[in-house]
Amino acid sequence: GENVEQHPSTLSVQEGDSAVIKCTYSDSASNYFPWYKQELGKRPQLIIDIRSNVGEKKDQRIAVTLNKTAKHFSLHITETQPEDSAVYFCAASGRRWTGNQFYFGTGTSLTVIP
Amino acid sequence: AAGVIQSPRHLIKEKRETATLKCYPIPRHDTVYWYQQGPGQDPQFLISFYEKMQSDKGSIPDRFSAQQFSDYHSELNMSSLELGDSALYFCASGTGFTDTQYFGPGTRLTVL
Repeated sequence: GENVEQHPSTLSVQEGDSAVIKCTYSDSASNYFPWYKQELGKRPQLIIDIRSNVGEKKDQRIAVTLNKTAKHFSLHITETQPEDSAVYFCAASGRRWTGNQFYFGTGTSLTVIP
Repeated sequence: AAGVIQSPRHLIKEKRETATLKCYPIPRHDTVYWYQQGPGQDPQFLISFYEKMQSDKGSIPDRFSAQQFSDYHSELNMSSLELGDSALYFCASGTGFTDTQYFGPGTRLTVL
């Protein structure tokens, strides 16, 4: 099955700086890579996603890049704000059939210091 | 916009009791996913349903069962509860045409 690794496990940045979180995956058949933000005790919220036919996607201060050859993808947050503090999870899935599961990374706890 | 609804939001049970968690997907979503998340852990996939049929199965214990009904809501039945079953249980919904999964608010299960 798929194995997703995520680094770093914790990340502290000063407000206004950039944050980068990296994930690698093992299954070359995976073709969908979402990123979720989860605040303590709350639901994971989708913040951005990318499909394997795209190398980069951007939404305001958030961007995701995908390198299919190297099997890794990264989340970039620019101009960080204290409200960006949360746990971020990457995930991978392959649409081999409907309803297939997400394989999550182990999460990155991001702290933005005011 | 309507979101995924889960009930109950909190549940406290004793060991060896049973529990039923309910999930109501976003309107017009036909796919439901169940995840278990322990403290400090990533969500672990349990099971999914598409058009009322089981579509994928993960690390769901044999003590647990689930189904999706004709109105697309889903129920996760948990029997012979153990202390280790204490966790947040999330339901997510999606459609058969896209990969995106939208998570509900979760049910916090505490087993004493």
